[in-house]
Amino acid sequence: EDQVTQSPEALRLQEGESSSLNCSYTVSGLRGLFWYRQDPGKGPEFLFTLYSAGEEKEKERLKATLTKKESFLHITAPKPEDSATYLCAVQPDYGNNRLAFGKGNQVVVIP
Amino acid sequence: EPEVTQTPSHQVTQMGQEVILRCVPISNHLYFYWYRQILGQKVEFLVSFYNNEISEKSEIFDDQFSVERPDGSNFTLKIRSTKLEDSAMYFCASSYRGNEQFFGPGTRLTVL
Repeated sequence: EDQVTQSPEALRLQEGESSSLNCSYTVSGLRGLFWYRQDPGKGPEFLFTLYSAGEEKEKERLKATLTKKESFLHITAPKPEDSATYLCAVQPDYGNNRLAFGKGNQVVVIP
Repeated sequence: EPEVTQTPSHQVTQMGQEVILRCVPISNHLYFYWYRQILGQKVEFLVSFYNNEISEKSEIFDDQFSVERPDGSNFTLKIRSTKLEDSAMYFCASSYRGNEQFFGPGTRLTVL
């Protein structure tokens, strides 16, 4: 069974204090790993797709990286508007495109 | 920017009643999905739909659930006889090639 574990579950950061979120995964074959942002009561908002170990993607203050066992989402100099839950999901190379999600990293950035 | 839309935003129903949740996927997308998220838990896959048929379903998606694409724009999820444990946020998602999936804002289903 595909497993996705995210840590830490919750994180409080001062504005400007950079940090990293971890997503560890177990899947027999990986088609892709996805990062989403979710605000309370809203749907997941697509951020990045990573397909192979060593790949990196960047968007504003966020940078996602991938190894064979885990992915990191680095938040550089966060602002209060970066407060959200960040979801990691894996898409196995079998099946029909379903995503298996982790529970998320809840990030609060304090001004 | 195109987006997935869902209606209603909140649905309250009595146990045993049928509900239909509606979604309008992004117009040129070919793959459609339903997920759900029980409060405080992870997002869970329910079903994927491609070329007018179910391509995969999870163990949650039992005989009480069905999906339909009644026309070229709508995608629906029907729950025939709702249970208390069906209370959750239901998200529709769509994808052009089956990789990046774009989610709608969700329908909050409350079963009393």
